[in-house]
Amino acid sequence: GAGVSQSPSNKVTEKGKDVELRCDPISGHTALYWYRQSLGQGLEFLIYFQGNSAPDKSGLPSDRFSAERTGGSVSTLTIQRTQQEDSAVYLCASSLEGRGFDRVHSPSSYEQYFGPGTRLTVT
Amino acid sequence: RKEVEQDPGPFNVPEGATVAFNCTYSNSASQSFFWYRQDCRKEPKLLMSVYSSGNEDGRFTAQLNRASQYISLLIRDSKLSDSATYLCVVTPSNYGGSQGNLIFGKGTKLSVKP
Repeated sequence: GAGVSQSPSNKVTEKGKDVELRCDPISGHTALYWYRQSLGQGLEFLIYFQGNSAPDKSGLPSDRFSAERTGGSVSTLTIQRTQQEDSAVYLCASSLEGRGFDRVHSPSSYEQYFGPGTRLTVT
Repeated sequence: RKEVEQDPGPFNVPEGATVAFNCTYSNSASQSFFWYRQDCRKEPKLLMSVYSSGNEDGRFTAQLNRASQYISLLIRDSKLSDSATYLCVVTPSNYGGSQGNLIFGKGTKLSVKP
């Protein structure tokens, strides 16, 4: 079936502009995650959505960052007044189940599948 | 101690070699473990989940040692196409943790040479 898709694949923007990044998760996956990865660095968690629960925004680096997930499916990550340090690859992932690990679900339920990412460059 | 630690490498090995990576995790209550592979400028891709009894998938073998809090990945008969960064991933112990339900290590870089 279709995997996680993200758009745009590349975005170049001027400092101070707002950008919107889109993620379309795997159909049926209840959990959706946003990460970012700077060149040569590890993944930095940004935000997590699980079903209709309030999102976990604890990884967002500043109030310029926000995200929403409409209808439990597509998600958009918005960065306002972009700065050069926002330049990174923004990765979206989805999994069948999210937090609230229990012994009912097998580990495979928590496997995250990543989209190809959006490479953001702020000039 | 970091939650998930990996030797960044690089591990430079000849084709056909056997190579092993270890990853340590800090919280003994961690429940699920995974290995992901990330090619240069690509997204991470799930390589395999790690089960308590250990598991094998072709040339790849994953082991979990709860007592010593580490997981390992063994690659036999290395191929050029195995060159990538291998990310160790664990679930946090606390439901209310701040990093979603997976914590990623920074990865170990493997380079397989002809």
